[in-house]
Amino acid sequence: DTGVSQNPRHKITKRGQNVTFRCDPISEHNRLYWYRQTLGQGPEFLTYFQNEAQLEKSRLLSDRFSAERPKGSFSTLEIQRTEQGDSAMYLCASSFASFPRSSYEQYFGPGTRLTVT
Amino acid sequence: GEDVEQSLFLSVREGDSSVINCTYTDSSSTYLYWYKQEPGAGLQLLTYIFSNMDMKQDQRLTVLLNKKDKHLSLRIADTQTGDSAIYFCAETGAGKSTFGDGTTLTVKP
Repeated sequence: DTGVSQNPRHKITKRGQNVTFRCDPISEHNRLYWYRQTLGQGPEFLTYFQNEAQLEKSRLLSDRFSAERPKGSFSTLEIQRTEQGDSAMYLCASSFASFPRSSYEQYFGPGTRLTVT
Repeated sequence: GEDVEQSLFLSVREGDSSVINCTYTDSSSTYLYWYKQEPGAGLQLLTYIFSNMDMKQDQRLTVLLNKKDKHLSLRIADTQTGDSAIYFCAETGAGKSTFGDGTTLTVKP
């Protein structure tokens, strides 16, 4: 396995359009996380899944954002009616969590850079 | 809520040691991590320490944890120009990670 992959790597869209990003985690990892990173800041948590269950969602995440992980493998993040403030790098990470072996080490993908014009 | 703070910049000469500091607020943090990010690249996990440890050494990297003061540091021995990057500290409880805003390390030849 080559690690976490994300597609597309870059997305340019016009304000008001919908966009969808995909993340494929490391195959044996049961947890998948989405973060957003803007220039000069660290990654900001958006949401995470354990298998197909969405366990936590940031209070900062507006209703325009939705994420799914239907079969507990890949995940999609959709942003509806994009705004210029949504321009950022969207990062996906995965980890393995299973008592008592959990280490919660998160391995990150290369990210999808979104530009809203 | 959780907060993680780091100094923004550090400049060292090649061959010197670098020490990057981090403070965090969540006393329930289980793991603390250091990530490296080079320009245009994703985050690379460098090392981590479990909250019941004081120190962890991994080749040129030494992590020190003062749980009482909620202070974490990363020491890079014999710093090389290839170590120039942004270094992020992060803390994790049982789920999400909270990251600092990163320390930009510049290594001068």
